[in-house]
Amino acid sequence: AQKITQTQPGMFVQEKEAVTLDCTYDTSDQSYGLFWYKQPSSGEMIFLIYQGSYDEQNATEGRYSLNFQKARKSANLVISASQLGDSAMYFCAMRTYGGATNKLIFGTGTLLAVQP
Amino acid sequence: GAVVSQHPSWVICKSGTSVKIECRSLDFQATTMFWYRQFPKQSLMLMATSNEGSKATYEQGVEKDKFLINHASLTLSTLTVTSAHPEDSSFYICSAVKGGQGLAKNIQYFGAGTRLSVL
Repeated sequence: AQKITQTQPGMFVQEKEAVTLDCTYDTSDQSYGLFWYKQPSSGEMIFLIYQGSYDEQNATEGRYSLNFQKARKSANLVISASQLGDSAMYFCAMRTYGGATNKLIFGTGTLLAVQP
Repeated sequence: GAVVSQHPSWVICKSGTSVKIECRSLDFQATTMFWYRQFPKQSLMLMATSNEGSKATYEQGVEKDKFLINHASLTLSTLTVTSAHPEDSSFYICSAVKGGQGLAKNIQYFGAGTRLSVL
């Protein structure tokens, strides 16, 4: 069965510090993609970063980086230099490529609160 | 990124009426769109996959006749909640797949969501 697990329901971080949001996944497929989305209180889901299972390097997008450890099946999101605007819900998601669709499986999310 | 517009952002309706929600990809064509439902403080639950020019594929437990999906063009999918009842009150959010970035990527870009309140 395919599953995404986010074990941190909520986290606090001090402004300007780095924070790591945990994500582990379970799949028997060899080819898959891992995504992180941010959902602020307004509700929209904002795409942050993508990591392919065959990508050799960890993905980075500005202040976001994905710590991809394939053997451990983890895809943690690292946010550097946290800003107040980073306060939001963060969802890890996975897509496998065995089927014909682009379905995403989401984790339960982590609520991040950045403190001034 | 890519822009997906969802309208309306908030709707209140009387029990028994139908509500239509639109999802548009503004700067790209999307052969596939998805409709999700999200309860407070919970994750997104996929309701159905909307394919342009064909019938939607519904997830197990989602009533097809209750949640009508029409993907009439490459930039527009609509979700109609028919005969809405208070238990249908929820946050509904759509996404559109922007392809052409390599098969492996195909990122889903989301609309801003619609908060439906049925009284």
